[in-house]
Amino acid sequence: QSVLTQPPSASGTPGQRVTISCSGSSSNIGSNTVNWFQQLPGTAPKLLIYSNNQRPSGVPDRFSGSKSGTSASLAISGLQSEDEADYYCAAWDDSLNGHWVFGGGTKLTVL
Amino acid sequence: QVQLQQSGPGLVKPSQTLSLTCAISGDTVSSNSAAWNWIRQSPSRGLEWLGRTYYRSKWYNDYAVSVKSRVSVNPDTSKNQFSLQLNSVTPEDTAVYYCARSRGDLDVWGQGTTVTVSS
Repeated sequence: QSVLTQPPSASGTPGQRVTISCSGSSSNIGSNTVNWFQQLPGTAPKLLIYSNNQRPSGVPDRFSGSKSGTSASLAISGLQSEDEADYYCAAWDDSLNGHWVFGGGTKLTVL
Repeated sequence: QVQLQQSGPGLVKPSQTLSLTCAISGDTVSSNSAAWNWIRQSPSRGLEWLGRTYYRSKWYNDYAVSVKSRVSVNPDTSKNQFSLQLNSVTPEDTAVYYCARSRGDLDVWGQGTTVTVSS
C-alpha cells in the first residue's frame, strides 16, 4: 500500500490530453514539493517534473505539473505513442524523522 | 552531467548481507547540497525509499522505519561513492535497487540492480 494514491491506469488517444492525480497528506504533499517520474520498461525512473511544476532540461513542454493542498496532478497534452509508460509521483514526508514516499504508479496506455 | 553507476551481486542467499555500491561522477559524495539515497522497487511493495547519507559539516544518515534495524548507507570519500548494506535478507528483499541523488528532488538515478534473494 503506497503512501501516495494514484489511479492504477489511464489512457488516451494520440493528440489527447490526459491527467494523472496523486493524493497525499499534510505531512508530504501538503508540506513539500512533488516530483513526477516516467518509467519505461526495464529502465530507471526519469525525473519529469520537480518542485511541483518545473521541467528539467530536455523534458517537452507537453508535460506539466500542478499542486493544490495535499494533491498534485500531472498533465500530458498532445499525447504521443512514446508517452506510453508508468508514471509515479513522490514527495518528502516529514513524519517518522523524514523519508521519501511514492505513489503506486499509473500505467498510461496510448490507444 | 551527473551520473551514478551501480555495482554489486545480483544474487544473495537468505540471512546473508546485500551489498551494493553507487559510484558518482560529476558531483561529490561530500557535497553540501546533495543527499545520496537508496530506493528499491518490487511488484509487491512498489517504490520504497530505504535510506540516505549526506554531509552538512558532518555526516548524517536517515533510514526507513521498515528496514532501520537492518540497513546501513555509508559514504566513501576516497572513491567518491556510497554504499548500501542490508543485513539478514529474506526473499521479501528481492527487488530492483536504485541509488539516487536528491537536492530537494530525486533528480539523478542509477541504472538499477536486480537483486534476487534465494538459496
